[in-house]
Amino acid sequence: DGGITQSPKYLFRKEGQNVTLSCEQNLNHDAMYWYRQDPGQGLRLIYYSQIVNDFQKGDIAEGYSVSREKKESFPLTVTSAQKNPTAFYLCASSIVEGNQPQHFGDGTRLSIL
Amino acid sequence: GENVEQHPSTLSVQEGDSAVIKCTYSDSASNYFPWYKQELGKGPQLIIDIRSNVGEKKDQRIAVTLNKTAKHFSLHITETQPEDSAVYFCAATYGTSYGKLTFGQGTILTVHP
Repeated sequence: DGGITQSPKYLFRKEGQNVTLSCEQNLNHDAMYWYRQDPGQGLRLIYYSQIVNDFQKGDIAEGYSVSREKKESFPLTVTSAQKNPTAFYLCASSIVEGNQPQHFGDGTRLSIL
Repeated sequence: GENVEQHPSTLSVQEGDSAVIKCTYSDSASNYFPWYKQELGKGPQLIIDIRSNVGEKKDQRIAVTLNKTAKHFSLHITETQPEDSAVYFCAATYGTSYGKLTFGQGTILTVHP
């Protein structure tokens, strides 16, 4: 089945640590996105990428970094500079041309120890 | 940037009743409006979308209407069932920017048997 796989489902971070969230898709989509979801709020865009080796900041990029070395993969690193990292992180992908639906993974829940 | 307001934040209905969720957007250049359903612990799933050249779209028990003049769009669910219980999000594009969605805050829909 085609889809988006996020791992791990649950992740714990100690103070001062960087952690990396995985996102893999086999939908052959060029565009990929990372969102953060907090209780009672909508999804907020962290980073997005239209093509391999290129990505742009979203609305809340501070404290996060990404890479896009392969079309299928768009990992997100939550750095120690992100002071409030506890949240539900969602990865999505879409076709680039025009406005097309974004397809989401089932998320990673990050908590601070 | 785009701002999307969604109401109500919670909605409780009896099975068989209709449910309506409303969203307003700020950017008159926005041209794509998807609706997502999110179940507990899962990623959002696209349920219906509408583009700015269409006023209404239906898919079985679900319909979306768009009023470009007033800059608002609504989700209508008829003959609600307990399995419709979930969080629903509306979204709109950043003007003409592909794929960069702004999400509403979400509506928790509960359908009582």
